[in-house]
This record gives sequence, structure tokens and C-alpha cells, in this order.
Amino acid sequence: DSGVTQTPKHLITATGQRVTLRCSPRSGDLSVYWYQQSLDQGLQFLIQYYNGEERAKGNILERFSAQQFPDLHSELNLSSLELGDSALYFCASSVGRGAGGYTFGSGTRLTVV
Amino acid sequence: KNQVEQSPQSLIILEGKNCTLQCNYTVSPFSNLRWYKQDTGRGPVSLTIMTFSENTKSNGRYTATLDADTKQSSLHITASQLSDSASYICVVSGADSWGKLQFGAGTQVVVTP
Repeated sequence: DSGVTQTPKHLITATGQRVTLRCSPRSGDLSVYWYQQSLDQGLQFLIQYYNGEERAKGNILERFSAQQFPDLHSELNLSSLELGDSALYFCASSVGRGAGGYTFGSGTRLTVV
Repeated sequence: KNQVEQSPQSLIILEGKNCTLQCNYTVSPFSNLRWYKQDTGRGPVSLTIMTFSENTKSNGRYTATLDADTKQSSLHITASQLSDSASYICVVSGADSWGKLQFGAGTQVVVTP
């Protein structure tokens, strides 16, 4: 157990639907990062939050949004889902900028049918 | 163009043998370089993290080297085991980034009996 908790582990939904992925960072970590990994692809950075504020944005689609709550957990909202959104979505956390390293969760596998 | 290039793309080795994975990067200014191991369908797990002043770092049978002048790193796996079968990802952090790490595409290692 890495200390980063992601729920749900698996999600199957239909095109056009909306889903919410949840991430609880490791205790003491203020930064949360979201990554997307499509089949046989590398990790693609989506967005980062630090202590409730957005700090960095990557290749995140406009249909996707995220937020970090006062208790530091984060949610990634995916709407108007398309088949191509099927992927593993990972959350990672770090104390600050991540100089000491990131800790990844075990991921949420999203399948859009 | 990806700022982190890994080679080879994939590798098959016999159990008990050694292997070396390569990572070349162009990220500048450079803060640190990390190697992660990712089992299929699981979140990446940190193996090593090195700053520009570190030349080598070991974690069990894994030894990473870094040449900040040539912007090259390698990960050496000694006496490979079947459990070493995984994707090995090189991740580089720029000195002025707030978490937007640059990920390599990974090297897929398969250890056969």
C-alpha cells in the first residue's frame, strides 16, 4: 500500500456519460497530480494541485476538470466521455514540489463502451 | 519532440542475467531524475531519484547512474529475476517546474526462465 488511495479501481461506463475519480493523498502530502495512461502508452500529465490551488496544467481536455478539497483529497471529473478516454488514471502525491519523490496510487481503470 | 528518450523500447533477458536501460534527456534547467518501475496495470513505484550532483545511486539490485553533462542516465539491473518483468520509466524534473515532470515512454523488460 503506497498510502495514496484511488477509488474506484475499475469503472465501466457508456459514451456521453460523466464520471468522477477520487484520490486521497498520502498523509502529509499537499500536492496531488493526475496522470492518464492509455493502452501501451506512457504517462501523460493532466493537472496538479497544491494545497487546494491549481499549480500546473498539462494536456487536460476541456471535458475534464479537477479540484482539491480542504481535506486535500482530489477529484477528477470526466464528462461527455468518448471511447478514446478509456485508460488508466493515476493519482500521485508529494509533500511539495516533489523533490523528494512522488508516490503513485494504484490507479482507476476506466472503460468507456 | 519528447524531452526524455528511453532505449531500448523493449528487452527480453534470461533470468539471472544483467541488463542496462538508457535514458537521454534535454530538460533544462535540470533538477532531478527518477527511475520508476511499473508493473502492468499498477501504479509506478520509485526506484531511485538523483540530483545533478549525484553520479550513482543503488536500490538493491538496481543501480542508476547519471551524467548531467551529457544528460544521460542508465539503470542497471543485476542478476535479473522474473519479478523484474515490468516497464521502467525515466522521469526528469526541470528546476523551474511545479510538478510537470517529463516522462519517458518506458522500456518494457521481460525476464524469461
